[in-house]
Amino acid sequence: DGGITQSPKYLFRKEGQNVTLSCEQNLNHDAMYWYRQDPGQGLRLIYYSQIVNDFQKGDIAEGYSVSREKKESFPLTVTSAQKNPTAFYLCASKRGFMNTEAFFGQGTRLTVV
Amino acid sequence: AQTVTQSQPEMSVQEAETVTLSCTYDTSESDYYLFWYKQPPSRQMILVIRQEAYKQQNATENRFSVNFQKAAKSFSLKISDSQLGDAAMYFCAYRRMDSNYQLIWGAGTKLIIKP
Repeated sequence: DGGITQSPKYLFRKEGQNVTLSCEQNLNHDAMYWYRQDPGQGLRLIYYSQIVNDFQKGDIAEGYSVSREKKESFPLTVTSAQKNPTAFYLCASKRGFMNTEAFFGQGTRLTVV
Repeated sequence: AQTVTQSQPEMSVQEAETVTLSCTYDTSESDYYLFWYKQPPSRQMILVIRQEAYKQQNATENRFSVNFQKAAKSFSLKISDSQLGDAAMYFCAYRRMDSNYQLIWGAGTKLIIKP
């Protein structure tokens, strides 16, 4: 079945560590996105990528990094520079510019301990 | 800048009844998309319904329908014959028609279904 897979579902990080969240899709979608969700707030865009080897900062990119070496994969690294990384992270993909619907993964809950 | 406001943090409805969730937005654009997404306890975001601003007809998907008032910048979601599986967070979102990425999200409304 086609879809978006995020792993792990739960992730714990110690202060000062970098961690990488995985996002893989087999929908042959060109565009991929990372969002952060905090309680009582809507989703906020961290990074997005429209094609392989290209990505753009979203509204809250500070403390995060991404790569897009393959069409299917768009990993997000939460660096130690991110001051408040505890949140729920959602990955999404879209077929392309004209397609209006974004498909979401099931998310990763990151907790700093 | 575009904004999306959902003024109801929580709503409850009796099973089989109808409930309406409110959403207002602010934009100077004339062409755009509006969406309602559902986030059940599994946390996966699921598209419920979408509306193109240039269409006057309100979108409908089975038990879900919208009341799109472009002049008032209002986009409410009506759920008819509510079912227990409808319990979730519901998010309203906006996207400019010429934008490939920029979804603007409301803060969400938690919908509780009473059996």
